[in-house]
Amino acid sequence: SYELTQPPSVSVAPGQTARITCGGDRIGRKSVFWYQQKPGQAPLLVIYNDKDRPSGIPERFSGSYSDNTATLTITGVEVGDEADYYCHVWDTSSDGVFGGGTRVTVL
Amino acid sequence: QVTLRESGPALVKPTQTLTLTCSFSGFSLNTGGMCVSWIRQPPGKALEWLALIDWSDDKYYTASLRARLTISKDTSRNQVVLTMTGMDPVDTATYFCARGRGYKDAFDIWGQGTAVTVSS
Repeated sequence: SYELTQPPSVSVAPGQTARITCGGDRIGRKSVFWYQQKPGQAPLLVIYNDKDRPSGIPERFSGSYSDNTATLTITGVEVGDEADYYCHVWDTSSDGVFGGGTRVTVL
Repeated sequence: QVTLRESGPALVKPTQTLTLTCSFSGFSLNTGGMCVSWIRQPPGKALEWLALIDWSDDKYYTASLRARLTISKDTSRNQVVLTMTGMDPVDTATYFCARGRGYKDAFDIWGQGTAVTVSS
């Protein structure tokens, strides 16, 4: 089965840049989606189709891809960005696959 | 405004069948491309996609649970139902439904989730 690998945690100071990676075999051939989940809440879509932002998502959230790794970048991190972040793709077998999640801590 | 809301029992016993309902508004599952998925999250763990039904009534299931899952829709009532047989304590989780605007698209709107505990 297809797997996505994320670092368990990322720590960043306010105003700095957080980068959350998502690795998977030939991930560049798939559309990658990113979700933010705060404690006790449902996930919120922050990036779709690798790099597009839904309406209402701040510009400081961006998505990119390089070398078999997708990356969610949060520029100018705010305290309110502290959350778990999950990447998601659709496997060729039609399974939806999530990464293990990355907890972003704002120091 | 698009909303989804999950409902179902908070507690089920091992071996029982779980039935969850996703009631939605603001869109129609008769509209081409529209989908609804079920996703679950055990306490403190990652999200896991379970099943999807689309506007044409095509259904997809995660391979590991395919034998236990059934997804169906009632477009007249704007509802999607998920049944899971043979419940086990490891199935304890919050269960979410979410909309997709196309097959293999993002989950753009989520329900708030419903917590299910499996215990005797």
